[in-house]
Amino acid sequence: ETGVTQSPTHLIKTRGQQVTLRCSSQSGHNTVSWYQQALGQGPQFIFQYYREEENGRGNFPPRFSGLQFPNYSSELNVNALELDDSALYLCASSLVPGNYGYTFGSGTRLTVV
Amino acid sequence: TQLLEQSPQFLSIQEGENLTVYCNSSSVFSSLQWYRQEPGEGPVLLVTVVTGGEVKKLKRLTFQFGDARKDSSLHITAAQPGDTGLYLCAGPRGGGSYIPTFGRGTSLIVHP
Repeated sequence: ETGVTQSPTHLIKTRGQQVTLRCSSQSGHNTVSWYQQALGQGPQFIFQYYREEENGRGNFPPRFSGLQFPNYSSELNVNALELDDSALYLCASSLVPGNYGYTFGSGTRLTVV
Repeated sequence: TQLLEQSPQFLSIQEGENLTVYCNSSSVFSSLQWYRQEPGEGPVLLVTVVTGGEVKKLKRLTFQFGDARKDSSLHITAAQPGDTGLYLCAGPRGGGSYIPTFGRGTSLIVHP
């Protein structure tokens, strides 16, 4: 059983650019959630996808958008990058949206300069 | 969104010491989860507590859910350097959503 895999592991972008982060969910999991974790903070919920539809969204601006594909993998897109977007971006998958146990990937470390 | 406050924010102890970290809220939670996150990794689920007053043990870790389901604690007995990490509590966001909302975490360092 494979876990959650994220790519790339590290990324450096310039302010104003766009970025796409990718996540492959754990086998059998149809729900993917994305979190942003700034240094010294707990993960902050961005949004969740369930069966290719957005199933909940946190307090993030529209320039944060996402997709889920038929194989349940997912993308997080961020437009017009700002310095404050520098963070660890975590993807988590679960069996169903209401499942207690979330399996997290190791994250993508994004640095905006 | 229901908020979770964790204390202390930082903890630095010697191997063999005992410690307790806390997770508190003014809201009632249907469940709470504890995760441990090591540097460069994502959080790993340790336990889920569901019933008020519930106590769960995981080797040297003891988790308790408050009777009113507004708080939880994690007690570690005879801490080891391998226990070093960020301990996060999480609970459903509320409003019918099961999506976990996280506290800020307690950063624990156990020195050999």
